[in-house]
Amino acid sequence: KAGVTQTPRYLIKTRGQQVTLSCSPISGHRSVSWYQQTPGQGLQFLFEYFSETQRNKGNFPGRFSGRQFSNSRSEMNVSTLELGDSALYLCASSLKGESTEAFFGQGTRLTVV
Amino acid sequence: GENVEQHPSTLSVQEGDSAVIKCTYSDSASNYFPWYKQELGKGPQLIIDIRSNVGEKKDQRIAVTLNKTAKHFSLHITETQPEDSAVYFCAATSYTGRRALTFGSGTRLQVQP
Repeated sequence: KAGVTQTPRYLIKTRGQQVTLSCSPISGHRSVSWYQQTPGQGLQFLFEYFSETQRNKGNFPGRFSGRQFSNSRSEMNVSTLELGDSALYLCASSLKGESTEAFFGQGTRLTVV
Repeated sequence: GENVEQHPSTLSVQEGDSAVIKCTYSDSASNYFPWYKQELGKGPQLIIDIRSNVGEKKDQRIAVTLNKTAKHFSLHITETQPEDSAVYFCAATSYTGRRALTFGSGTRLQVQP
């Protein structure tokens, strides 16, 4: 059974640009959550999607957005990038949502220069 | 909101010794407590979890204990091996409340051969 797949693995962007990250959940999983991991703040929740609807949102500015498609694949977008957005962005999928038994992908390492 | 504290931040043990990582949580509504292992360059891997209706759970060399009254839960690794070296994260959430995982700050475990 394939795991959670995140693309791309690495990205370098310039301040002010926007970026889109992609996540394909484990087959059959309908919930996708996104987390930001930085050395200073650790793992912080961004948002969760279930059946194409955002069910939960963390404390991040509106520059961070996401969506989920009918096949459960999800994308997150960050607009007007800032240096502080440099982080590992992790996607987790779970079968029924509600953050139980969440399985993470390898992440996308975003560097903003 | 939930707050999870994790100790110690670093832990060095000799191969074959036991390792214990402790976490405390603040929200009595939390009832699901997973542990993740993160190796360099990889996403967090779910290694064991426990729900609040259980006091202890064991899987081979790994065990987790939960004290709901004190709001403590701990990860125990016995007979440590060099491949156990990684960063371990505890987390807490409520699987009935559509809440996101709140993570501890992580413990870097180094197993010396």
